[in-house]
Amino acid sequence: DAKTTQPPSMDCAEGRAANLPCNHSTISGNEYVYWYRQIHSQGPQYIIHGLKNNETNEMASLIITEDRKSSTLILPHATLRDTAVYYCIVRVPTSGTYKYIFGTGTRLKVLA
Amino acid sequence: GAGVSQTPSNKVTEKGKYVELRCDPISGHTALYWYRQSLGQGPEFLIYFQGTGAADDSGLPNDRFFAVRPEGSVSTLKIQRTERGDSAVYLCASSLGDLPFGGDTQYFGPGTRLTVL
Repeated sequence: DAKTTQPPSMDCAEGRAANLPCNHSTISGNEYVYWYRQIHSQGPQYIIHGLKNNETNEMASLIITEDRKSSTLILPHATLRDTAVYYCIVRVPTSGTYKYIFGTGTRLKVLA
Repeated sequence: GAGVSQTPSNKVTEKGKYVELRCDPISGHTALYWYRQSLGQGPEFLIYFQGTGAADDSGLPNDRFFAVRPEGSVSTLKIQRTERGDSAVYLCASSLGDLPFGGDTQYFGPGTRLTVL
């Protein structure tokens, strides 16, 4: 079962910030939050990940609440090429390994 | 460098046939994962290899599904007696390896679209 819930779809105007929320209320203390996106007919593409501190890279920023029960992915200046399905994922340790538990994602449409 | 590659990109087969799907991970990555993605859904974990051994195969739906990674690099997902419900995109990912601390990012291939008629 997915450990994350996301809104099924969102629109964002080109050039504006896209803020994609994710709830992961059952996350455990050592479980990381990862964000990937999937453009039609391609494999998922890594964006960013974090444990409890906010993170930023060249693609996006990740804001994690202090209680770690939710997070927000921020694309600071959305472009048409950012139109994709965005997955918030909890990386789950199991049997000494890790696996990703995907939900159904948020379909982001960037509008011209 | 080269990313994860998967062959074939598309495979059409008939119900009851046997299929093999191949994954070439990023060079040097010891961990390899298979996922299955049905239309409109997120990828679903199938199996994980650390080196040559399957460390977690809890996601394989039944014994018609089997995967190998004999030399710790290329992996093959094998499906026997295919059924129409097996139609999906099969994704492969690789990562540097199992780390006790910190993130271990998975890099995905483009997937193989399997259609069972």
